[in-house]
Amino acid sequence: ETGVTQTPRHLVMGMTNKKSLKCEQHLGHNAMYWYKQSAKKPLELMFVYSLEERVENNSVPSRFSPECPNSSHLFLHLHTLQPEDSALYLCASSQTRWRGGDNEQFFGPGTRLTVL
Amino acid sequence: QQQVKQSPQSLIVQKGGISIINCAYENTAFDYFPWYQQFPGKGPALLIAIRPDVSEKKEGRFTISFNKSAKQFSLHIMDSQPGDSATYFCAASNTGGFKTIFGAGTRLFVKA
Repeated sequence: ETGVTQTPRHLVMGMTNKKSLKCEQHLGHNAMYWYKQSAKKPLELMFVYSLEERVENNSVPSRFSPECPNSSHLFLHLHTLQPEDSALYLCASSQTRWRGGDNEQFFGPGTRLTVL
Repeated sequence: QQQVKQSPQSLIVQKGGISIINCAYENTAFDYFPWYQQFPGKGPALLIAIRPDVSEKKEGRFTISFNKSAKQFSLHIMDSQPGDSATYFCAASNTGGFKTIFGAGTRLFVKA
């Protein structure tokens, strides 16, 4: 596998379910991100992890819970979601400037989430 | 101050024509301005990027024009092709930090 991979690609869940999204980066980057992409809206940054520590949390509801067990893996745990949470959830990774990179974001293909 | 405003929202261009997408930013701390291209079912992918120390950058048919004093930058796609039909996002970031601010996107359709 190369680049950034995400599983599952599609997910349908009820409002009472608990599910998790998984992201893996094979680029040796030191930062990983979760974004939410809704129709006709800018990409919304949700969480940023650098070297497994959360460095950014953009006022995301607590029904979204991130986990970064190591620098290659990132999870987004979901519980009691609302229909308005239906969106494409994108994972990205980057090599930050202080680690010799440009902070260019490399994106995975996303998970299309539908909340019924 | 953190916004990046992108226009137009959608664009239809004839094959062989020039596609132009514009963006404006407010935060003068931004020092890296990438453009991303996204096809249906895929994540955004970096297309071309520029730093504010140059006014233009060209890679093949894609050119970024950058106006630092106006805080504006634009993407020009020369000789547009049907395969260029995608959504394009401008973005801005301060490479000393983690945040990249994205525009709302422009859906480009190139007619054959």
